[in-house]
Amino acid sequence: QKEVEQNSGPLSVPEGAIASLNCTYSDRGSQSFFWYRQYSGKSPELIMFIYSNGDKEDGRFTAQLNKASQYVSLLIRDSQPSDSATYLCAVYSNSGYALNFGKGTSLLVTP
Amino acid sequence: DTAVSQTPKYLVTQMGNDKSIKCEQNLGHDTMYWYKQDSKKFLKIMFSYNNKELIINETVPNRFSPKSPDKAHLNLHINSLELGDSAVYFCASSQVVESNYGYTFGSGTRLTVV
Repeated sequence: QKEVEQNSGPLSVPEGAIASLNCTYSDRGSQSFFWYRQYSGKSPELIMFIYSNGDKEDGRFTAQLNKASQYVSLLIRDSQPSDSATYLCAVYSNSGYALNFGKGTSLLVTP
Repeated sequence: DTAVSQTPKYLVTQMGNDKSIKCEQNLGHDTMYWYKQDSKKFLKIMFSYNNKELIINETVPNRFSPKSPDKAHLNLHINSLELGDSAVYFCASSQVVESNYGYTFGSGTRLTVV
């Protein structure tokens, strides 16, 4: 069973701080990694994708990938209350046939 | 609007009934999926359908049957509904299975079995 692990949280950070969300995966053949944001009662929304080791930045978001450690993270700079949501890590590997999701980390940004 | 659309948004039904959820995408994607999200927010793949080829997840009971009349539509039919089927069902699509651009999700169908 290919697993994607996330700390369920909740992770609470003050407004303006950096939120750090982490994800580990078990399948070394994994090749593509995604972060989705899901507000309560809404559908998942793609924030970032990364498939090479290192950092990828998009606005306030930075995705980090370390394939040797089987670890992917999402940093949110200058966190806003509107960032409060569940963040889902998703992984694609050749041995699967769809994105495999973690259980999500609940983020709460307090004013 | 380009999107993945699902109907109905809410579905309340009794145990033992048969129901269907419809999904349509106008993104021109080749692959469509059904995911189930349980009360703990765990999003689990049920089916993947790529250019008329169905890939079945073995953990899904055979009471669930996807049907794709064409690559823009993927419906989910559920027979003999059980209490444990209560969840939010999301349809999604992507250009290819291994898309590096992720999947686009529909708005979800909240199924409640009573």
